[in-house]
Order: sequence, then structure tokens, then C-alpha cells
Amino acid sequence: GAVVSQHPSWVICKSGTSVKIECRSLDFQATTMFWYRQFPKQSLMLMATSNEGSKATYEQGVEKDKFLINHASLTLSTLTVTSAHPEDSSFYICSAQERKGGRGANTQYFGPGTRLTVL
Amino acid sequence: GDSVTQMEGPVTLSEEAFLTINCTYTATGYPSLFWYVQYPGEGLQLLLKATKADDKGSNKGFEATYRKETTSFHLEKGSVQVSDSAVYFCALSDPSGGYNKLIFGAGTRLAVHP
Repeated sequence: GAVVSQHPSWVICKSGTSVKIECRSLDFQATTMFWYRQFPKQSLMLMATSNEGSKATYEQGVEKDKFLINHASLTLSTLTVTSAHPEDSSFYICSAQERKGGRGANTQYFGPGTRLTVL
Repeated sequence: GDSVTQMEGPVTLSEEAFLTINCTYTATGYPSLFWYVQYPGEGLQLLLKATKADDKGSNKGFEATYRKETTSFHLEKGSVQVSDSAVYFCALSDPSGGYNKLIFGAGTRLAVHP
């Protein structure tokens, strides 16, 4: 099956530093990747959608300069949390969409998530 | 806009009990419907999906039928196990939006006791 990995699985950083999270599709090409944020015991909130080779599309209320997304290849997207603060602490999950064609055939496969703690 | 409504949890069951988690949706187009499961500390795993009306998705004993007339996609399992304890998310994907963005329900926590 389609596998998506994330690295690191958890990270602790000091306030003011930047953190980069990688999302990789291991056995398929992902033309589109998504980044979500999940607070404890809550649902997933879509932050942005990224397509390979183009700028990411951010959801309303998500700061583009705060959460930098790069989708450099068909198997890799990165999320950089710049100048992180304690309120950025959260569980960040990526997903990758394998484009097989046909209506409804495009399923998202999720990574295991990255837990970010900002001290 | 599109939305998904799930029954609130937590749902607590004894092993081998019957499970139903209700999910209804609102969409302007013709969405695909999904159930995802999240185990503690992990990301989401696709459990099952249905892409058109009257389709039945099934996996690992779980089933859900795409009901357009009632705009529902209820999740069922005939006999739950302790290992089914997790959070279950209902979601829809409306291709008319362009990138097949997933819209999630709030999630329903299931706890199965021996």
C-alpha cells in the first residue's frame, strides 16, 4: 500500500527557533501534499495544500510567512515553522495524494505525524 | 460550504458488541466519503471509502454505505475488539473544489473494554 513518512516524529525546540518537518511518499508519486494541524482531542485542521513545483495554497487564517511550505519533488514536501513560539506546539500531520485518474479516485494517505513542542 | 457531522463520543462498548458511529454530510457537489482511524500518538489510516451513491466500503469487518438520500455514511462493525479502540474520523472530498481537499468531522473516540 501507499506509505507516507514524516521526519522527525517529535521535536522539542526553544522559542524563536525554526523547525523543519519533512513529508515523504515512499512508494508513489504525490503531485499534491497537504499539511494539517491537530490540537489535543480535536479534529484535523487543513493548513495548506502544496503542488509539486508551485507555491502552496494556504487556508484562511494560516500565516504564509510563519509556516513555509516547499514541495520540491514528487516525493518530498517540507513544512518549516519559523520563529516558533509555545502556541505553535501541536501535532502536525501531512498527507500525500496519489493521482490515479478518474472521479473520486484520488485518495489521501497520511503520515504518522510530528509532535512539536516549543519551550 | 461543505461539512461533516459525526456523533459525539466517547463511545464505550464491551468486546463483541455491535458498533455504529453516525456520520452525515453537507456538500454542493458529488463527494467521495471516507472513514479514517487514528490510534493514540499516530497519524490517520484510511479505513474505507466510497466514491458514489449506494457504494459500500468495507475493511477489517467495518462497513459504511454511501446514502445520498439521507446524506449519510454511518460506520458499522458487527463485533468490536479491544484493538479497535481509537478515534474515528468521517471525511468527505469534493473534487469540484480542485485539489480534493478533505473535510473532516470532529472525530469519535471509541473505547472497547474486555
